[in-house]
Amino acid sequence: AQTVTQSQPEMSVQEAETVTLSCTYDTSESNYYLFWYKQPPSRQMILVIRQEAYKQQNATENRFSVNFQKAAKSFSLKISDSQLGDTAMYFCAFMPPSGTYKYIFGTGTRLKVLA
Amino acid sequence: ETGVTQSPTHLIKTRGQQVTLRCSSQSGHNTVSWYQQALGQGPQFIFQYYREEENGRGNFPPRFSGLQFPNYSSELNVNALELDDSALYLCASSLDRGPISPLHFGNGTRLTVT
Repeated sequence: AQTVTQSQPEMSVQEAETVTLSCTYDTSESNYYLFWYKQPPSRQMILVIRQEAYKQQNATENRFSVNFQKAAKSFSLKISDSQLGDTAMYFCAFMPPSGTYKYIFGTGTRLKVLA
Repeated sequence: ETGVTQSPTHLIKTRGQQVTLRCSSQSGHNTVSWYQQALGQGPQFIFQYYREEENGRGNFPPRFSGLQFPNYSSELNVNALELDDSALYLCASSLDRGPISPLHFGNGTRLTVT
């Protein structure tokens, strides 16, 4: 069974600094999709960034980037120039390549950006 | 463009009762997925509907059922409520059922079972 593990329940970072959130996953598939979602206090999950496993290049979206290590089954999220609005729960998610396109989420990391 | 809307936002029910949660998908989206998020946990997949047909189901008992209507809005029904059903229920819609189409989530319905 596929699983997603986020080993950091809580993290904090000073405004304008850089922080990295960790995620590991387990799967026997060779092609799949990985995601980071953000859930602010408003409860709405928002897609931050997506990575296709067959792409070797790490995805980037403005201040957000990932370090995708396929062999190690690791998918960390780096947030540069942290802003107060980045304060939220961050969930790492895995999606298999076919069948039911369901997300398998980790337990989340609560990130607090300090002024 | 109207996003995903869920109703009600909060709900309190008694053990053994039945509940219906509603979701209006984003315009143009034909796929709706439902997730249960217990306190302090990540969302867990309940089921997905694609063009009014169930397209996959997670590890939830049959008392969790759903519907998708011709306008692609959706309902989640839970019968014989149990205390462990207390959670945030998230609905998400997407343009298609594949991984290329990102999920657009609503703000969720917070269900409390007493």
